Amino acid sequence: AQSVTQLDSQVPVFEEAPVELRCNYSSSVSVYLFWYVQYPNQGLQLLLKYLSGSTLVKGINGFEAEFNKSQTSFHLRKPSVHISDTAEYFCAVSRGATGANNLFFGTGTRLTVIP
Amino acid sequence: GAGVSQSPSNKVTEKGKDVELRCDPISGHTALYWYRQSLGQGLEFLIYFQGNSAPDKSGLPSDRFSAERTGGSVSTLTIQRTQQEDSAVYLCASSTWTGWAEAFFGQGTRLTVV
Repeated sequence: AQSVTQLDSQVPVFEEAPVELRCNYSSSVSVYLFWYVQYPNQGLQLLLKYLSGSTLVKGINGFEAEFNKSQTSFHLRKPSVHISDTAEYFCAVSRGATGANNLFFGTGTRLTVIP
Repeated sequence: GAGVSQSPSNKVTEKGKDVELRCDPISGHTALYWYRQSLGQGLEFLIYFQGNSAPDKSGLPSDRFSAERTGGSVSTLTIQRTQQEDSAVYLCASSTWTGWAEAFFGQGTRLTVV
């Protein structure tokens, strides 16, 4: 079975500072990995995804994530955050094999950007 | 429609009553998911429909919860004999046939059991 762990429930960071939101997964099979963002009072939207190929994935709003198979991680990074990045970020995993490809989410990390 | 539509957006119900939550997925999306979002709990998987396959119900927390998807489109999540711990935002998402395609989320239904 797949599971996703987001170790940090809250991450405060000053504006224009770099940030890393951690995500680790466990799975006995290959997986596809996603980051979703939920802005205040809005629905979830896809930030970026890793399916195959280059392990460094670039997403919207200047975010990127790196897939590390040996460490089973998919950490999200941004070199310089803005106030508008304040949101809840969810890491998710989907099994890569054919068949039922359910989407499992971590518990989320609340990023607060401090002016 | 243009996006995933959920109704109602807010629902207040008395403990012990049954409620039905509706999800209209994006046209043509064969995969449909229900999640529950509670404070401090993140996104909890409830049930997953994929085409004509048997749904994955492994996330339903109790037999008070059930869901169906009629005609491969609209889905209804039913909670019987609601309890206060059922209070949460219930999110629906849909995607094309594979889970690795982007899942598009509705705005959710905020359920409050009083």
